[in-house]
Amino acid sequence: ELKVEQNPLFLSMQEGKNYTIYCNYSTTSDRLYWYRQDPGKSLESLFVLLSNGAVKQEGRLMASLDTKARLSTLHITAAVHDLSATYFCAVDLAIYNQGGKLIFGQGTELSVKP
Amino acid sequence: DTGVSQNPRHKITKRGQNVTFRCDPISEHNRLYWYRQTLGQGPEFLTYFQNEAQLEKSRLLSDRFSAERPKGSFSTLEIQRTEQGDSAMYLCASSFPTRPTDTQYFGPGTRLTVL
Repeated sequence: ELKVEQNPLFLSMQEGKNYTIYCNYSTTSDRLYWYRQDPGKSLESLFVLLSNGAVKQEGRLMASLDTKARLSTLHITAAVHDLSATYFCAVDLAIYNQGGKLIFGQGTELSVKP
Repeated sequence: DTGVSQNPRHKITKRGQNVTFRCDPISEHNRLYWYRQTLGQGPEFLTYFQNEAQLEKSRLLSDRFSAERPKGSFSTLEIQRTEQGDSAMYLCASSFPTRPTDTQYFGPGTRLTVL
């Protein structure tokens, strides 16, 4: 059974600081996604990572993927309040012929304080 | 492209009642997914359609749950004889799978409260 685990689950940061969220998954997958969710809202796609060593950056967020270690990271640089949200990683099971359904981690609730 | 829409946005019902939710995917997206999210957890897969065919159902989906996508466009999710444990956010997503990516775009969700 595929498991996706994120840590930390809660993260309180000061503005201007850097931090990393980790996402470990238990079996082979060729696609990993990062989503953002604001309170009471739906999920917004941030990144799709497709291959070992893939790195994607958007603003203050950078995501990377190490398929050998089955690990993805989401790095936050010089955090600002607007980044406060819950961040989910999700793994695609398409390679197992399971139609691309996503298995999500528990989420990391990020709070950026002035 | 108006995004994925879901109706209603909120539903409060009494235990034992039936409820139905609707999802309209992004036009031309042939895959449609239903997920359930409880407080403090990530979404859990329930079922998905490719066009009008329901291709997979999760073990989470009891016999009280049924989903349809009659013409390969919108989809409905019905819960019969609701229980308090059904209280959750029900999310719909759609995609048009092309290699190498298959990003799923999520709707705003329907929040169900069973009293």
